[in-house]
Amino acid sequence: QQQVKQSPQSLIVQKGGISIINCAYENTAFDYFPWYQQFPGKGPALLIAIRPDVSEKKEGRFTISFNKSAKQFSLHIMDSQPGDSATYFCAAARSARQLTFGSGTQLTVLP
Amino acid sequence: DGGITQSPKYLFRKEGQNVTLSCEQNLNHDAMYWYRQDPGQGLRLIYYSQIVNDFQKGDIAEGYSVSREKKESFPLTVTSAQKNPTAFYLCASIPGTGIVGELFFGEGSRLTVL
Repeated sequence: QQQVKQSPQSLIVQKGGISIINCAYENTAFDYFPWYQQFPGKGPALLIAIRPDVSEKKEGRFTISFNKSAKQFSLHIMDSQPGDSATYFCAAARSARQLTFGSGTQLTVLP
Repeated sequence: DGGITQSPKYLFRKEGQNVTLSCEQNLNHDAMYWYRQDPGQGLRLIYYSQIVNDFQKGDIAEGYSVSREKKESFPLTVTSAQKNPTAFYLCASIPGTGIVGELFFGEGSRLTVL
């Protein structure tokens, strides 16, 4: 049973545009929601994260929006750049054991 | 520089052979993890270890084995019992006081079964 559903699977955006990736979760016990960025042939790296008591968190061009009642959260990349082209994973954490990942979104930013 | 080193980066295996993937970290982190990545399926947890000489099964532990004899090392053995071992394998760690959502990852090992 997939506990974190991520969409879209792939996304193509023009340089300067806004990239939006969505995730939905089922387990209300999740209490930490990170996003990871992965370049081809590399391991994922933590990009930004949010806790459910906050509705939005911004770090530079990256923003997480969190809707606790809908059990949804999203990543917005403002002014998208070709260097942002990567695979993005949302995730949800509950305990020292459990970190559940979404299926990933391959983002391509066209120059 | 501190980090996680995985080796080999690429590995080819014949069916029926066991292979061991190395993961070494010099971050002084307590907890270490192994994930498997397949296209379109995200990352799935194989095994994790929070202290030396102790480890726990993850969601897809069947066909894999691990050991944790030293704090800095957490090797993964892919056994012949693993039916579909071709994948990208990722090792990760967090410090003892860290949040499980804030994993540090190595660069991965790509295993291909011929």
